Amino acid sequence: AQTVTQSQPEMSVQEAETVTLSCTYDTSENNYYLFWYKQPPSRQMILVIRQEAYKQQNATENRFSVNFQKAAKSFSLKISDSQLGDTAMYFCALLGTGTASKLTFGTGTRLQVTL
Amino acid sequence: DAGVIQSPRHEVTEMGQEVTLRCKPISGHNSLFWYRQTMMRGLELLIYFNNNVPIDDSGMPEDRFSAKMPNASFSTLKIQPSEPRDSAVYFCASSFRGARTEAFFGQGTRLTVV
Repeated sequence: AQTVTQSQPEMSVQEAETVTLSCTYDTSENNYYLFWYKQPPSRQMILVIRQEAYKQQNATENRFSVNFQKAAKSFSLKISDSQLGDTAMYFCALLGTGTASKLTFGTGTRLQVTL
Repeated sequence: DAGVIQSPRHEVTEMGQEVTLRCKPISGHNSLFWYRQTMMRGLELLIYFNNNVPIDDSGMPEDRFSAKMPNASFSTLKIQPSEPRDSAVYFCASSFRGARTEAFFGQGTRLTVV
């Protein structure tokens, strides 16, 4: 079974500051993929960043980066230089590489960027 | 590629009516997922397919829900008969299980059953 846990229901950050969203997971698979999705009020699910579990190097995409700790099964998202447009729900997700593996989501963190 | 395409974007129907939601995955993707999102329950995985074959439908809430994937480019989620508690946003997502696995979502269908 796969589980993804996001323990921060809501967070707030001031514009231009840095914020970190937490995610822990559990899986019995040796190889898997981890994702962060952003869901703005438009409800569109937007892929922000992905990490392959067999790669030790943390993924980065412009202002977004992850801290992937495989042994601790932790996958946090850091947003640098926060912008008002970053206001959204953020979901952490896990997808195993097995053909029977499902895409499992956490409960989400609502991020508010303020002036 | 146009991305994952869902139709309709919005659906309002009366209780007891049949509802069919449609999804066209990204060309070349071999996995397809159907999710339901509500305020109370968040994102729930209803069913997923791999190479057009249903792998796990344990998330389908009741027998009123059914899903098919007749080919690699089309899937449907049907609710018959619909009930007000089925009101939610239904998402379809597709992914490619390969060298670069990514999962992409459609824009969702907002279903309202009155």
